[in-house]
Amino acid sequence: DAKTTQPPSMDCAEGRAANLPCNHSTISGNEYVYWYRQIHSQGPQYIIHGLKNNETNEMASLIITEDRKSSTLILPHATLRDTAVYYCIVRSTGNQFYFGTGTSLTVIP
Amino acid sequence: GAGVSQSPRYKVAKRGQDVALRCDPISGHVSLFWYQQALGQGPEFLTYFQNEAQLDKSGLPSDRFFAERPEGSVSTLKIQRTQQEDSAVYLCASRTGTNANTQYFGPGTRLTVL
Repeated sequence: DAKTTQPPSMDCAEGRAANLPCNHSTISGNEYVYWYRQIHSQGPQYIIHGLKNNETNEMASLIITEDRKSSTLILPHATLRDTAVYYCIVRSTGNQFYFGTGTSLTVIP
Repeated sequence: GAGVSQSPRYKVAKRGQDVALRCDPISGHVSLFWYQQALGQGPEFLTYFQNEAQLDKSGLPSDRFFAERPEGSVSTLKIQRTQQEDSAVYLCASRTGTNANTQYFGPGTRLTVL
């Protein structure tokens, strides 16, 4: 599975869009990009995933570059409850997830 | 519907004791995973089951760690002769089938070994 690189921490003002970047330059053609988040003392929560098209659901949007070497998770209107560690995971149809250390997002009132 | 549940949520053990951690996956989910999360780190894979078969145990750190899922639903992770370095959160996840990708995680069991 391809490795990912994320900034260790980010801040975002409440109500503004939070844009979380992820680099995955060694991604291969059949590998999906997954995003999870982990709020303190809870298990990881699924957010969104995609292969090459941009995706949107009720939680977030996922923008994948055309070369698929990077992606951005967008939380359109961040709230205090979005404060969490966000993990970008790239995997194929194998089984385990490789989480890395993620980005710690702090939403500031 | 009910998500993945784990018990106990917190466990304190003295060094050398054996512990058993339980995972109840989402009903009907074929695949089950165990992860270990050390403080300040992301979760790391331990082992994977498809129904009752343990297909991958490459992440188990030593032979003191043992996992089972005898009837293809509930799973137990057992750690024998616990050591201080075993202190971590143990997470369980399940997914619908072998071709599905999204894993759904439980709240974890925080194990502290004194």
